[in-house]
Amino acid sequence: SQKIEQNSEALNIQEGKTATLTCNYTNYSPAYLQWYRQDPGRGPVFLLLIRENEKEKRKERLKVTFDTTLKQSLFHITASQPADSATYLCALVSSGNTPLVFGKGTRLSVIA
Amino acid sequence: NAGVTQTPKFQVLKTGQSMTLQCAQDMNHNSMYWYRQDPGMGLRLIYYSASEGTTDKGEVPNGYNVSRLNKREFSLRLESAAPSQTSVYFCASSELNRISNQPQHFGDGTRLSIL
Repeated sequence: SQKIEQNSEALNIQEGKTATLTCNYTNYSPAYLQWYRQDPGRGPVFLLLIRENEKEKRKERLKVTFDTTLKQSLFHITASQPADSATYLCALVSSGNTPLVFGKGTRLSVIA
Repeated sequence: NAGVTQTPKFQVLKTGQSMTLQCAQDMNHNSMYWYRQDPGMGLRLIYYSASEGTTDKGEVPNGYNVSRLNKREFSLRLESAAPSQTSVYFCASSELNRISNQPQHFGDGTRLSIL
């Protein structure tokens, strides 16, 4: 069966460290993978999109990698801050006009 | 810009009652979506509309109907609410007719409880 798994429900790290979140998928051949941030009581907000032929994408303190051999995407936040505390969702697109499929998310807490 | 606006923000219904959740976007997006989010289940797609005049079922369409009223508005209707439909409902929109590779813009949700 098809699955998207994000490494853990919750991740706690100290301020200033790099947070690394994992998204693994099974029985998909995604053309694109997206990452979103969701704050409590709010809707998800788009952060980054990476295509299957891209190894890495950066935006300010954020970096996403995409390894189609390992069937994995890693999401890094460098120099993390308490304001980065949120739930992070990965979502992938299999092909063509198929809808996005979301993972369950990882709740990140950055401790000062 | 308001982005994606959902009404109401909160609602409590009794089993068997009907209700329509409203969604409007002001970004001139072609595609719109309805999701539900439950603890431990993540976001699941209920219905989507790739473009004005079309609607398609998502992963969990049973018990729901949708109407793409015009390019801006996409409503979700529960004809006979059941406790299993207690959830947070999110509406989203994206550019272009290709629904797969564009970022989605979400509203802040409707929190629905069915007693």
